Amino acid sequence: QKEVEQDPGPLSVPEGAIVSLNCTYSNSAFQYFMWYRQYSRKGPELLMYTYSSGNKEDGRFTAQVDKSSKYISLFIRDSQPSDSATYLCAMATWSSARQLTFGSGTQLTVLP
Amino acid sequence: ETGVTQSPTHLIKTRGQQVTLRCSSQSGHNTVSWYQQALGQGPQFIFQYYREEENGRGNFPPRFSGLQFPNYSSELNVNALELDDSALYLCASSPALGQGEGIAEAFFGQGTRLTVV
Repeated sequence: QKEVEQDPGPLSVPEGAIVSLNCTYSNSAFQYFMWYRQYSRKGPELLMYTYSSGNKEDGRFTAQVDKSSKYISLFIRDSQPSDSATYLCAMATWSSARQLTFGSGTQLTVLP
Repeated sequence: ETGVTQSPTHLIKTRGQQVTLRCSSQSGHNTVSWYQQALGQGPQFIFQYYREEENGRGNFPPRFSGLQFPNYSSELNVNALELDDSALYLCASSPALGQGEGIAEAFFGQGTRLTVV
């Protein structure tokens, strides 16, 4: 069993839709949670960084962490065609905070 | 765009050869990590360098090795290349402790696409 499981998609939504992307994890030592966006043939771009349980909002993006359920989500409101990319969740423990464990990514397409 | 730059962008090597990939970290960042991303997968942690010393290693064999230089730039070396080494190799830099938003922040370069034939 992988430490981090991510819905593989692909996911296709109409422009303006609310998108929900999810990851579950098995290692209760994970303390840091991140979402990255990766366009084709590019490196991952850090979107959201959270430490505690709860919600964090940044513009159209909301990251949600539920440590009791070992579940994290990224919500994208008013999705745009430019949001079409692969979204990767990543996690790290306190003792190895800069050694990220990634999910396998969800490919999102937002149709105009 | 992050300030992390990698070279070369693409590379084709023959099985059994050796390869060196290079990374310049973002200004003010003193930790560099390397990741391997196979097609359709998430990045996998190879190793990390902090102040020129290896500071953590993932589940990769010893033929994967690295260096960090005093200016915090880094190299990834892979010996005895195998077909399964074909992947996107990503370098990530992290800010010095006390800077940036959080300790786990990592900013990635564009990657080097390695093809082993």
